[in-house]
Amino acid sequence: GQSLEQPSEVTAVEGAIVQINCTYQTSGFYGLSWYQQHDGGAPTFLSYNALDGLEETGRFSSFLSRSDSYGYLLLQELQMKDSASYFCAPPGDKIIFGKGTRLHILP
Amino acid sequence: EAGVAQSPRYKIIEKRQSVAFWCNPISGHATLYWYQQILGQGPKLLIQFQNNGVVDDSQLPKDRFSAERLKGVDSTLKIQPAKLEDSAVYLCASSLVSMTGPRGTEAFFGQGTRLTVV
Repeated sequence: GQSLEQPSEVTAVEGAIVQINCTYQTSGFYGLSWYQQHDGGAPTFLSYNALDGLEETGRFSSFLSRSDSYGYLLLQELQMKDSASYFCAPPGDKIIFGKGTRLHILP
Repeated sequence: EAGVAQSPRYKIIEKRQSVAFWCNPISGHATLYWYQQILGQGPKLLIQFQNNGVVDDSQLPKDRFSAERLKGVDSTLKIQPAKLEDSAVYLCASSLVSMTGPRGTEAFFGQGTRLTVV
């Protein structure tokens, strides 16, 4: 079967760093994608980790450990516009999204 | 580059009525997905097409939902008859290659159709 676990909500202060964790069980695992979705908006692609390790794209970094079935998204220098839901999506035999993590940013 | 186009943006219907959604993916994208997103939840895959063939429709309620992809380009998703629990945002997405498999790829989502069944 397939399962995903992410924290339902995370709160952080503007300018700070926040980490959103993702643990998963999938069949045919090939990496881990992350998507961002603002309220009322469409999900947008943030990153894809095909291999273990850290991938950095500007203020966002994503990490994957396939042996631990674990990954995280790291957001640095938080801005108010980063308030959104974040979904990890392991592209295995099927694409599944969990309930996502709602990120609240305090001024 | 034009994005994924969906219409209508909003639709309100009464239960037991039928409704259809339309999606035009990004040109050249072989893979097309329909997702249902209920408020507060993540997108749930309903059906995945590769060109005009169905790759996965295991979560499509086939007694009331149907989908087709015409000539491997545009796609329509239909609900007949609608139930109250079908109220959700229906998202269409496309990708150059399938998101499943070792290559991994970015999926582009449309703005969705917000369906309210009353």
